[in-house]
Amino acid sequence: GQNIDQPTEMTATEGAIVQINCTYQTSGFNGLFWYQQHAGEAPTFLSYNVLDGLEEKGRFSSFLSRSKGYSYLLLKELQMKDSASYLCAVSDGNYQLIWGAGTKLIIKP
Amino acid sequence: TAGITQAPTSQILAAGRSMTLRCTQDMRHNAMYWYRQDLGLGLRLIHYSNTAGTTGKGEVPDGYSVSRANTDDFPLTLASAVPSQTSVYFCASKDRGTTGELFFGEGSRLTVL
Repeated sequence: GQNIDQPTEMTATEGAIVQINCTYQTSGFNGLFWYQQHAGEAPTFLSYNVLDGLEEKGRFSSFLSRSKGYSYLLLKELQMKDSASYLCAVSDGNYQLIWGAGTKLIIKP
Repeated sequence: TAGITQAPTSQILAAGRSMTLRCTQDMRHNAMYWYRQDLGLGLRLIHYSNTAGTTGKGEVPDGYSVSRANTDDFPLTLASAVPSQTSVYFCASKDRGTTGELFFGEGSRLTVL
């Protein structure tokens, strides 16, 4: 079966760096997405990786290793507003999105 | 720009009643989707539509139906609601092509008693 794994919850300190991991097993691969979802709100797009390597976008970076079925989202200079759930999703061989359950990130002052 | 609008925002429904969740987008996106989100689970696809006039079943279609009469509207109907359909429902759309970011509506919280 197809599966996306990510930690359920993480805690980090304001101003610090946190890495949220995502591992996947899918039938085919056509890219990996990260979305941010604040409590009670809709998910919003953060990043898309289809080739191996690191994509940097401001304080957020996303890494992909297709051979390892692994990605991470790196958040630098954490701010209180970064408290949210982070959703990993993989586009499989049929271009269907498979979603992880999300990682709830708690930022402490 | 409104993007994607869902209605209602929240609804309490008696089991056995029917309900239609409305979804309208103004971005002229071809593909539209309905997901449900439950605690501890990832977003699960209910139904999708790649273009106006066509629909398809997702991972959890039972108990739900959709229609896509035009590009902008993609309503989701529960013919006879059951308590297990208590969830937050998100409508989403994306532009032409097989990859690309999804744009989500604000969600509809449905409670079936």
